[in-house]
Amino acid sequence: EIVLTQSPATLSLSPGERATLSCRASQSVSSYLAWYQQKPGQAPRLLIYDASNRATGIPARFSGSGSGTDFTLTISSLEVEDFAVYYCQQRSNWPWTFGQGTKVEIK
Amino acid sequence: QVQLVESGGGLVKPGGSLRLSCAASGFTLSDYYMSWIRQAPGKGLEWVSYISSSGTTRYYADSVKGRFTISRDNAKNSLYLQMNSLRAEDTAVYYCARDLGTRVVPAAIPVYWGQGTLVTVSS
Repeated sequence: EIVLTQSPATLSLSPGERATLSCRASQSVSSYLAWYQQKPGQAPRLLIYDASNRATGIPARFSGSGSGTDFTLTISSLEVEDFAVYYCQQRSNWPWTFGQGTKVEIK
Repeated sequence: QVQLVESGGGLVKPGGSLRLSCAASGFTLSDYYMSWIRQAPGKGLEWVSYISSSGTTRYYADSVKGRFTISRDNAKNSLYLQMNSLRAEDTAVYYCARDLGTRVVPAAIPVYWGQGTLVTVSS
């Protein structure tokens, strides 16, 4: 099973700041990595798929990069609605797996 | 618009059974692979099961293999998860999700999610 390790566990930032979230895979997943945002009491929302493709309706301030084992989700300028938990997910090998999440909280 | 509505969750004793349903609307169910994904209280996400558009191919997490069965009825626009021999560690919100890809090119990227149904396994 491919293990995805996200860092940091918590990111404390202010609105307008840049957020950089990391996801590292235990083996190469090529570019088969997605990012999701989840707010309390809600289902996850797809942000980025295949490492760098924004899903429909996702603002341009969200961007993804990386390949192989190291990936990054960047939020260029945090809006209040961006404070949430973010998960990465690989679809290279079954079982598809998620990282443990990074919480972006208001400083 | 795409809508997924789960039902069937509730409180069940260890060793018991439940059948979850997911009613799909706003798209043609037979065109898409579907998933069940769960989230234990305060924890992260775990992919439970994945089924091809026709239902002929099914994948299960090791944690549920032999106990859970995923199925679908495309004519009824419904996805199901039969859960047997339930354990305390199966307690979670269970989400039904539709794939981003199509039956021709599946993607294992859940793009549409239901609101989830809570399953609690406790004596």
